[in-house]
Amino acid sequence: GQQLNQSPQSMFIQEGEDVSMNCTSSSIFNTWLWYKQDPGEGPVLLIALYKAGELTSNGRLTAQFGITRKDSFLNISASIPSDVGIYFCAGPDMSAGNKLTFGGGTRVLVKP
Amino acid sequence: DGGITQSPKYLFRKEGQNVTLSCEQNLNHDAMYWYRQDPGQGLRLIYYSQIVNDFQKGDIAEGYSVSREKKESFPLTVTSAQKNPTAFYLCASSMAGGLDEQFFGPGTRLTVL
Repeated sequence: GQQLNQSPQSMFIQEGEDVSMNCTSSSIFNTWLWYKQDPGEGPVLLIALYKAGELTSNGRLTAQFGITRKDSFLNISASIPSDVGIYFCAGPDMSAGNKLTFGGGTRVLVKP
Repeated sequence: DGGITQSPKYLFRKEGQNVTLSCEQNLNHDAMYWYRQDPGQGLRLIYYSQIVNDFQKGDIAEGYSVSREKKESFPLTVTSAQKNPTAFYLCASSMAGGLDEQFFGPGTRLTVL
């Protein structure tokens, strides 16, 4: 099946900073989903993207569906401590009956 | 409130015992899924069901079993054949299988002693 690669694997944020992360695939995706997981909880859907080039915001979060359909980006503006968590990208794997495939996650931590 | 519930939140079992994890949804979703998450890792699909009385193996089905007798419920049994069952288990549902967004429950942390 397709694999999604997320980078960076982890990052430190300082309150007020803008941060960004991305997700890439060797194959095209028709949908990109971004989830956030707090420690010990289930992932929560943040943003869903359905069209190449689409840019969608949810509060301080903005995600883009890459024009090549092989990548997606998530930006967090003016980060706050509760932005800490793991951010996962996901998309339906067309080579596996459209089962959702997940990236390995980007772990966002607070700079000490 | 509509949502997905998993119980219990924490579960402890002795090695060699089967254990069943509960997952219920009242979102009227057709499809349900079970994932396993290990520390610092992503999600791996165990089993999924797109319709009542039908389910398919995911990527790591060995040592697990499921049933889907009701639309709202998709229990997962971790059998003694699962060599390394200690993990965080997540249940999810979606309107239909595949292209729809999946919504997750709060998870069950299983520890086998």
